[in-house]
Amino acid sequence: DTEVTQTPKHLVMGMTNKKSLKCEQHMGHRAMYWYKQKAKKPPELMFVYSYEKLSINESVPSRFSPECPNSSLLNLHLHALQPEDSALYLCASSQGIGAYGYTFGSGTRLTVV
Amino acid sequence: DQQVKQNSPSLSVQEGRISILNCDYTNSMFDYFLWYKKYPAEGPTFLISISSIKDKNEDGRFTVFLNKSAKHLSLHIVPSQPGDSAVYFCAASPGNNNDMRFGAGTRLTVKP
Repeated sequence: DTEVTQTPKHLVMGMTNKKSLKCEQHMGHRAMYWYKQKAKKPPELMFVYSYEKLSINESVPSRFSPECPNSSLLNLHLHALQPEDSALYLCASSQGIGAYGYTFGSGTRLTVV
Repeated sequence: DQQVKQNSPSLSVQEGRISILNCDYTNSMFDYFLWYKKYPAEGPTFLISISSIKDKNEDGRFTVFLNKSAKHLSLHIVPSQPGDSAVYFCAASPGNNNDMRFGAGTRLTVKP
């Protein structure tokens, strides 16, 4: 299995809803990432988990809450989002740091109404 | 503060010719540089990387060149094929952590 699987592919939620994005990989990668990408902009790093511990949190608002239940799973819990949070949310994983390429999932297209 | 910059949003080349995609960076702590390719409705796919101790890395039709003094790297695709049409992202990472930064991407169109 050489894939990162993200669910759901599309999500529409209201500003008072609570939802979760899920990410799964079975490549034995020990680092997992959440990126946010808006149209015509680069992917922006949100969170990094290394060996199931949060190692980087790029000053993301608390309405985004990451969780890494085990080495294969990464969740992003969403609560009280704003319309400007609408974006493509990408999950990625890697064997290690630096020159190891990331394996990305195909993303969750989130729309906040 | 965008630390990785791709100043050309788009590039169009003829099939069989060379495609050259450029990338500049500002952070001298970056040690590893990578190129990703992205098709619509898919996540980015890792293409090729280079360490700061090298100035060139080649993999088939793809070659990445690094000019550390100019803080510039480029991706050469020779010969270009229609299937290479995609958005190409340049990325850079310091060697001591997982903090990878991406450029805004260049949309390459290879015309038959």
